[in-house]
Amino acid sequence: DTGVSQNPRHKITKRGQNVTFRCDPISEHNRLYWYRQTLGQGPEFLTYFQNEAQLEKSRLLSDRFSAERPKGSFSTLEIQRTEQGDSAMYLCASSLAGGIVHEQYFGPGTRLTVT
Amino acid sequence: DQQVKQNSPSLSVQEGRISILNCDYTNSMFDYFLWYKKYPAEGPTFLISISSIKDKNEDGRFTVFLNKSAKHLSLHIVPSQPGDSAVYFCAASADKLVFGAGTILRVKS
Repeated sequence: DTGVSQNPRHKITKRGQNVTFRCDPISEHNRLYWYRQTLGQGPEFLTYFQNEAQLEKSRLLSDRFSAERPKGSFSTLEIQRTEQGDSAMYLCASSLAGGIVHEQYFGPGTRLTVT
Repeated sequence: DQQVKQNSPSLSVQEGRISILNCDYTNSMFDYFLWYKKYPAEGPTFLISISSIKDKNEDGRFTVFLNKSAKHLSLHIVPSQPGDSAVYFCAASADKLVFGAGTILRVKS
């Protein structure tokens, strides 16, 4: 399969717990993005990597959020001390820098529910 | 502030007719515009795009029109098919994608 994959697809956690999501991009893509989508809204940019370098972070990304892409391949997004407001769909996308970078390919998302 | 707006939350169209989805933006720095389609339980899928130097781009049944002076773009689907029923997101890019809230399209057979 050559698409973007995300794991887990669903996560239910209690408030205050830490959660970690994984994204595997399309193999030849060197850019990787994280977005958050809440009900009735479009995806909102959180952060992106080019290879292993994190190049931009949104102000939406509080100190409780951290993202890594240690070898320039897969990425993880960790949320510490989860809050109910963190409940959302977390989407990962990838693209090829130097190509048409705006055309990002999305994974199916991880739906987080914080109880 | 919402830089990309899709003012119609939903649209219902008869099969075979034209679907027109609209999008307005405020940031003059956007240089690329895209439409994504999303089915339930899936991530958004890229549909069609247009550079700010063009005013029209066509791909099969899908055409995107850009009116820079009005900061408005639209997606035309002709003829509409039941399989087109999905949420459609407009997105704009300067260095990263900014999405609208989406329009739910229902194509009735």
